[in-house]
Parts: sequence; C-alpha cells; structure tokens
Amino acid sequence: DIQMTQSPSSVSASVGDRVTITCRASQGLSSWLAWYQQKPGKAPKLLIYAASRLQSGVPSRFSGSGSGTDFTLTISSLQPEDFATYHCQQANSLPSTFGQGTKLEIK
Amino acid sequence: EVQLVESGGGLVKPGGSLRLSCAASGFSFSNYTMNWVRQSPGKGLEWVSSISGSSIYIHYGDSVKGRFTISRDNAKNSLYLQMNSLRAEDTAVYYCARDLLGSGSYYLDYWGQGTLVTVSS
Repeated sequence: DIQMTQSPSSVSASVGDRVTITCRASQGLSSWLAWYQQKPGKAPKLLIYAASRLQSGVPSRFSGSGSGTDFTLTISSLQPEDFATYHCQQANSLPSTFGQGTKLEIK
Repeated sequence: EVQLVESGGGLVKPGGSLRLSCAASGFSFSNYTMNWVRQSPGKGLEWVSSISGSSIYIHYGDSVKGRFTISRDNAKNSLYLQMNSLRAEDTAVYYCARDLLGSGSYYLDYWGQGTLVTVSS
C-alpha cells in the first residue's frame, strides 16, 4: 500500500496568514492526489483533485501543487472558516490511502 | 441537490454483523462508482470499499476483505455494506461517498453525514 505522510501534524496561524501543508507519498502518484477539508463532526469536503484542480465552489485562496511524491496545499489568506483538519488522499492505486491529517488551529 | 444519507449503524458485539445503507438522491446513481470510507474516533480516514455503477468492479481494503461485502440496488438508488465478523478495530464512523468522475477516479466529491458503528462487548 502507498503510505501518505502529511506535515506538519498541526499548525497554528492567524487570519490573513498564508499556510502551506505538505503531503509525501511512499511511491510516485503522478498527479493522482486530492485534498479534503474536515470540520469537527462533519464529513470531509473535497477541495482539490488531480493535485491542482480546484473543485467547483471552492474559494480560489486554496491551491494545490506537486506531482510524483511531493505535494502541497496552500491557503493564500486564511479566513475564519478555514480552521479545520486537512487530509490528503492518493488515488493512484488501490487501496486508496489518506494522510494522517493536519489540524489548522487559530493562533 | 446531491444527497447521501447513511443508516444502520449502532452497537454490536465482537463477531457480530451489521448492514449499513446509503440512500442517494439528486443524481443519476447508476452512473457513479460509490465508496465506503471510515474514520475511527480521533483518527484518520480509511478507504473501505468501492463498487462500480453496474456492480462489475468491486474492491476492498485489506483490513475488511473477506468480512465485508459491498452491494448496490440501482432501482432503489441505494448502496449497502454488509459487515460480518466485526472486530473492535472496526469501530468508526462510516461514510458513503460518490466518485467525482463517475467511474473509478477515487476522488470523492459528495459524502453522507456518516453513521457510527461501535463494536464492543
């Protein structure tokens, strides 16, 4: 199985900050990677797929980049509603696997 | 509006069985691969199983293979997960989720609210 490792596990930031979350795969994924946002008690929400494609309805302050084994999710200017946990997911091969999550907290 | 509503969760003893259901609406259900994903309390997400629109292609994660069975009824717009030989480590919130591109991309664009399965004596 492909192992997905996110860093950091948690990060504190302020409204207006730029934040970057990293996801590393144990094998090459080409661009088969997605990012999800999850708030407490809620289902995950798809933000980015194919490494850099913004899902419909997702604000443009979210962006994704990378290919192969190293990927990043960037939030250009944090808004209050962005404080949540972020998960990466590889869709290159089954079983599809997720990172352990990155909790974005208010500083 | 796309909606996915899971049901069937609850408390079950180790070794027991449970059947989860997911009622879909707002889209052409038979045209989409559907998935089950679970999340143990305070833990990350784990993909469990997927089934193609015609039920031809079915896949399972290693941790549930041989114990869980995914199925669907396109006439009823419903997805199911039959869970047998349940273990404590199967305790989780179970989500049904739709494939973004219809067939086997494994990007999940719509999710249900989840149903909690607790395996405990």
